[in-house]
Amino acid sequence: DAGVTQSPTHLIKTRGQQVTLRCSPKSGHDTVSWYQQALGQGPQFIFQYYEEEERQRGNFPDRFSGHQFPNYSSELNVNALLLGDSALYLCASARAGGSTYNEQFFGPGTRLTVL
Amino acid sequence: AQSVTQLDSQVPVFEEAPVELRCNYSSSVSVYLFWYVQYPNQGLQLLLKYLSGSTLVKGINGFEAEFNKSQTSFHLRKPSVHISDTAEYFCAVSSSGSARQLTFGSGTQLTVLP
Repeated sequence: DAGVTQSPTHLIKTRGQQVTLRCSPKSGHDTVSWYQQALGQGPQFIFQYYEEEERQRGNFPDRFSGHQFPNYSSELNVNALLLGDSALYLCASARAGGSTYNEQFFGPGTRLTVL
Repeated sequence: AQSVTQLDSQVPVFEEAPVELRCNYSSSVSVYLFWYVQYPNQGLQLLLKYLSGSTLVKGINGFEAEFNKSQTSFHLRKPSVHISDTAEYFCAVSSSGSARQLTFGSGTQLTVLP
C-alpha cells in the first residue's frame, strides 16, 4: 500500500500564475481533504471532496478550487497566485461512511513557492 | 466554531527527561482530539486520538495524552524522551462524525538535547 501520494514535491511559480497540485488517496479511501500549512504554522483546512463534490470548505477565497475524479484522486487549483500562497499543501484521505471516526492519513505534501 | 491553542511554541528538553506539551481547545459540540507529529520535510503522522471512553489515551512511540473535559485540555506526555523525538507536534480537534475536517493548533517544536 503506497499510502497517500502527492505530486509534484516542489513547485516554484510567480505571482499571478495558476498552479495545479495532485493527490492520490490511500487504497480503499474515497474522501480527500486539502490543507495549507504556512511556514511556522499549523495546517489550515481548505476543502474536502467526496463523491466528486466539494462537501466542506474552510475560509479560503474562490481562487482555491478543486476536483475529485472517479478513481477518488483529487486536484487542488490555485489561480492568480499571491506571495502569501507560498506554503506546504497537504492532502489527507479517509474512508467515508459510518457514524464513528475514520482516520485521515496525510501525504508528504507539495511545497509551493511563489516569487 | 472550534479552535485549538498550543501554549508553548518551543519546548527544549534533555534526553531521558519527561516532557509535557500543552493543548487547550474550545468547541460548542462534542469533539474528537488528536496529536500529530511532523518530522522535517514530511507530512503528518498520527500519534494518538481521543474519540470516547477512557480519558487516558496511549499512542505510538511511548506517548500518552489525557482528555480533561472540565479544563478543555488534551496535554501530551512522555516519561522519557529520545533524540529521535525532536519534531513539530500539532494538537487538532474535529467535530464528531466520520472524516470531518481537522482544526489544528499552531504547533510546538520539541527539541531533545543530548
